[in-house]
Amino acid sequence: KQEVTQIPAALSVPEGENLVLNCSFTDSAIYNLQWFRQDPGKGLTSLLLIQSSQREQTSGRLNASLDKSSGRSTLYIAASQPGDSATYLCAVLYNAGNMLTFGGGTRLMVKP
Amino acid sequence: DAMVIQNPRYQVTQFGKPVTLSCSQTLNHNVMYWYQQKSSQAPKLLFHYYDKDFNNEADTPDNFQSRRPNTSFCFLDIRSPGLGDAAMYLCATSRVGRALGTQYFGPGTRLLVL
Repeated sequence: KQEVTQIPAALSVPEGENLVLNCSFTDSAIYNLQWFRQDPGKGLTSLLLIQSSQREQTSGRLNASLDKSSGRSTLYIAASQPGDSATYLCAVLYNAGNMLTFGGGTRLMVKP
Repeated sequence: DAMVIQNPRYQVTQFGKPVTLSCSQTLNHNVMYWYQQKSSQAPKLLFHYYDKDFNNEADTPDNFQSRRPNTSFCFLDIRSPGLGDAAMYLCATSRVGRALGTQYFGPGTRLLVL
């Protein structure tokens, strides 16, 4: 079964701290991996998309890496701000299908 | 701006009363998806359209149906909502069937079943 796991489920950090969110997947035959942000009661906002041939993608204070051989992706957030507080979801598109397989998310709280 | 629009944002229905949720997109993407997301859980794909081709997930209940009358619009019909169907329903689009690009999500419709 192709699964995606995110640890920790929740994280609380003081403002200004650099942090790393983790995502692991069981099958290395992925097509791409996407990181999303979800605010409470809202839809998903795409943050970064990494194709299977890529090692990382950067957007502003965000950097996502991909290591297919170890089945891992990380989302690095630099100089965290209270506005970064949200749930972060990673999702994998496996080669075998069209559907995204989501992790359970990491709920991030950045305290002022 | 090009986007994915979902109406209504909040929907209240009664147990067993049919309800329709709508999604429209201005991105001209050929794939549209419907996801169900329950509280504190990851989104779960219900079905998707690749152009006019309907693709149902194996574990999607028969109670859930979908229509896509044209490229821009897609509807989710819940024929007889139960209390367990209360959730956030998310619509998403992508450019091609293999989602070479990003999946773009709408803001969601939160369904409450009384």
